[in-house]
Amino acid sequence: AQSVAQPEDQVNVAEGNPLTVKCTYSVSGNPYLFWYVQYPNRGLQFLLKYITGDNLVKGSYGFEAEFNKSQTSFHLKKPSALVSDSALYFCAVRILYGGATNKLIFGTGTLLAVQP
Amino acid sequence: DVKVTQSSRYLVKRTGEKVFLECVQDMDHENMFWYRQDPGLGLRLIYFSYDVKMKEKGDIPEGYSVSREKKERFSLILESASTNQTSMYLCASSRGLAGTHGAYEQYFGPGTRLTVT
Repeated sequence: AQSVAQPEDQVNVAEGNPLTVKCTYSVSGNPYLFWYVQYPNRGLQFLLKYITGDNLVKGSYGFEAEFNKSQTSFHLKKPSALVSDSALYFCAVRILYGGATNKLIFGTGTLLAVQP
Repeated sequence: DVKVTQSSRYLVKRTGEKVFLECVQDMDHENMFWYRQDPGLGLRLIYFSYDVKMKEKGDIPEGYSVSREKKERFSLILESASTNQTSMYLCASSRGLAGTHGAYEQYFGPGTRLTVT
């Protein structure tokens, strides 16, 4: 079955330290992967996506993600965390439907808490 | 900027009521989606639509229906609301068919927190 997993419910990091939010996937064919962020009482905002090419993808707000095909992972990273990065983060993978139409399967989310 | 709006931020309904959740996008997107978000379960797809009057069931369509009469508007209908439909409902839209070699990101509305009592 095609799926995406976020193994950590919560990640705690001190402000200024690097952060990593983990994501692993299982899909047939080429994976198309996304990261979204959700601030309290808001909808999801797109951060970045991996389609093809460079394994390191850069996105909004200084975030980047590293695609690793052999480990089927797509971890979200940031070199220096800010308190304002505290939010709920979702990883998602595209699933082909009906040969062309595509939809996303989301992970269960990881709550990032950055302490000042 | 893409804008996806939802008719209500908070809604309280009684068991058995018929509930309409409205979503409008202003970017001429072909695809529209309805999700529900529950703690520990992430986002689950209820229905989606890839064209006017077209709809497809997602992963949890039971108890819901949808309507898409115009390209910019996608409505979610709870025919007879039940307490287990208390949740956050998120609407999203995206550009059209990306085929097998691409993927378009989805843009989300702010969500409607529905409470059924």
